[in-house]
Amino acid sequence: AQSVSQHNHHVILSEAASLELGCNYSYGGTVNLFWYVQYPGQHLQLLLKYFSEDPLVKGIKGFEAEFIKSKFSFNLRKPSVQWSDTAEYFCAVSGAGSYQLTFGKGTKLSVIP
Amino acid sequence: GAGVSQSPSNKVTEKGKDVELRCDPISGHTALYWYRQSLGQGLEFLIYFQGNSAPDKSGLPSDRFSAERTGGSVSTLTIQRTQQEDSAVYLCASSLRTGSLEKLFFGSGTQLSVL
Repeated sequence: AQSVSQHNHHVILSEAASLELGCNYSYGGTVNLFWYVQYPGQHLQLLLKYFSEDPLVKGIKGFEAEFIKSKFSFNLRKPSVQWSDTAEYFCAVSGAGSYQLTFGKGTKLSVIP
Repeated sequence: GAGVSQSPSNKVTEKGKDVELRCDPISGHTALYWYRQSLGQGLEFLIYFQGNSAPDKSGLPSDRFSAERTGGSVSTLTIQRTQQEDSAVYLCASSLRTGSLEKLFFGSGTQLSVL
């Protein structure tokens, strides 16, 4: 069975600080990996995805993530966060071609102006 | 509609009562998912519908939970004899077809509170 582990429950940063949110997955095959974001009061939306292309994936709003197969990791990064990045971030994994999407427990990011 | 619509947005019920939660997916989307988001627990898969195929019910936590999808469009999640541990946000998502996880659209959810 596939699983996802997000290392941090709550991260607090000042504006302009760099961000890295950890995500490790467990799955015995080719994977597709996702980061979703949920802004306060809004629905979940896709931030970026990895589908067997370049392991360094760039998403919206300056976010990027790197797939490291040997470490089963897909960490999310942003060089300089803004107050508007305050949200909850979810890492998710699926087997290639599968409809099953397994989510981590989420990391709440609070950015202080 | 423009997005996945869920109703009600909030539901408060008494322990032991039955509740029905509704999801209206994006028009033309054949794949529909229900997830449960409990505090601090992330998103838990409940059930998956794809067209006229038999649904994948493997995530339903007990036989008090059931779901149907009529006419390949609107879906209803029913929880019978609600318990306090059922309190959560119930999310619905849809995509154009099986495997289109890169284009999965979520609704705003139904916040269920069981007193």
